Amino acid sequence: SQELEQSPQSLIVQEGKNLTINCTSSKTLYGLYWYKQKYGEGLIFLMMLQKGGEEKSHEKITAKLDEKKQQSSLHITASQPSHAGIYLCGADLNAGGTSYGKLTFGQGTILTVHP
Amino acid sequence: NAGVMQNPRHLVRRRGQEARLRCSPMKGHSHVYWYRQLPEEGLKFMVYLQKENIIDESGMPKERFSAEFPKEGPSILRIQQVVRGDSAAYFCASSPGMKNYYGYTFGSGTRLTVV
Repeated sequence: SQELEQSPQSLIVQEGKNLTINCTSSKTLYGLYWYKQKYGEGLIFLMMLQKGGEEKSHEKITAKLDEKKQQSSLHITASQPSHAGIYLCGADLNAGGTSYGKLTFGQGTILTVHP
Repeated sequence: NAGVMQNPRHLVRRRGQEARLRCSPMKGHSHVYWYRQLPEEGLKFMVYLQKENIIDESGMPKERFSAEFPKEGPSILRIQQVVRGDSAAYFCASSPGMKNYYGYTFGSGTRLTVV
């Protein structure tokens, strides 16, 4: 089984709708990173969360970290076609938190936004 | 320096040939991480290097793969005697130090196809 599980695996929404992507860890999270990837391209850094209860927002995207549940959620408000892509969560799952870039990634969530 | 630069973007090699992938980190960054994205497997950590040192190579296949980050020049991921299973997207990321509170910047990747 995956150490980081993302749900759903894919999501199709109509433009303007809100949506949430979840990332659940089987281990203690020492840092949680959200990235977006366009097909065939690199990863674009969205946000990093480090502390339980932390919440960050950038434009219409909000991410939260629930440390007790070992889970993070990414919420997009009023989705647009430009939000389409693959969303990846990555986390430092190393015992004690290594604090360097050895991240474990989820399988990704493919988001399609229909105009 | 606009970001992490990887080249080539696309690389085609015949089975048995060698593949050399290059990664120039962001200006001021002396820490480099290599990841591999295999179809159906997601993004996996391979190796973490600082200038002239390999810090963590726990994700590197035991044979045929090597990485270096010399004092001068880009980091190189070298794959000897490539096989079809090496076909994947290879990404590198960089950071200014071991402890990074601002996320890891990824390059656009090198897509290796072994024919």
